[in-house]
Amino acid sequence: GDSVTQMEGPVTLSEEAFLTINCTYTATGYPSLFWYVQYPGEGLQLLLKATKADDKGSNKGFEATYRKETTSFHLEKGSVQVSDSAVYFCALSVGAGNMLTFGGGTRLMVKP
Amino acid sequence: GAVVSQHPSWVICKSGTSVKIECRSLDFQATTMFWYRQFPKQSLMLMATSNEGSKATYEQGVEKDKFLINHASLTLSTLTVTSAHPEDSSFYICSARSLGYRNNYGYTFGSGTRLTVV
Repeated sequence: GDSVTQMEGPVTLSEEAFLTINCTYTATGYPSLFWYVQYPGEGLQLLLKATKADDKGSNKGFEATYRKETTSFHLEKGSVQVSDSAVYFCALSVGAGNMLTFGGGTRLMVKP
Repeated sequence: GAVVSQHPSWVICKSGTSVKIECRSLDFQATTMFWYRQFPKQSLMLMATSNEGSKATYEQGVEKDKFLINHASLTLSTLTVTSAHPEDSSFYICSARSLGYRNNYGYTFGSGTRLTVV
């Protein structure tokens, strides 16, 4: 079946540090890939997405590139802020209308 | 943009009682609703998928008689936790999917409901 593996947290960084959260996947078909962010006590918000190989999703300074050859979709940000502290989920979906399969989530804590 | 309103945001109930959680799509028609459960510091686990006007499809290990899902209209889906017990305490999140709506590639999440059963 489909699965998503992402690095375990928590990841603790100082403000303005570089962020990488690794995500790899296995899928039976050709997936679309997503990063979602969950702030404390809230639901999930879509951060960025990519629907085909070599696509780069970007939003709010975050980026992730769909790498089919390495089945990866690593999340990066050049300079994190305290407000980026949250839990980040990598996810995939195969086919229109199908459910999302989530990774285990990575908690990011940014200290001033 | 697309919004899914989920209520209540938190609820405390006594063991043996039932709790209903509602998810409403405010500005689009949700042809499919996914219900997830999230344990502390864990990922989201899909409980069931419902299509408007059809019976929900439950994931393996999820008791359909305990977690009643109704998707009677394109803008409303409900999850009822019947005869709740402390082990049902969790964070429940809905996700609406609309194939014809240009939003977030079609998935919009509610803000979640934290259920505590005492």
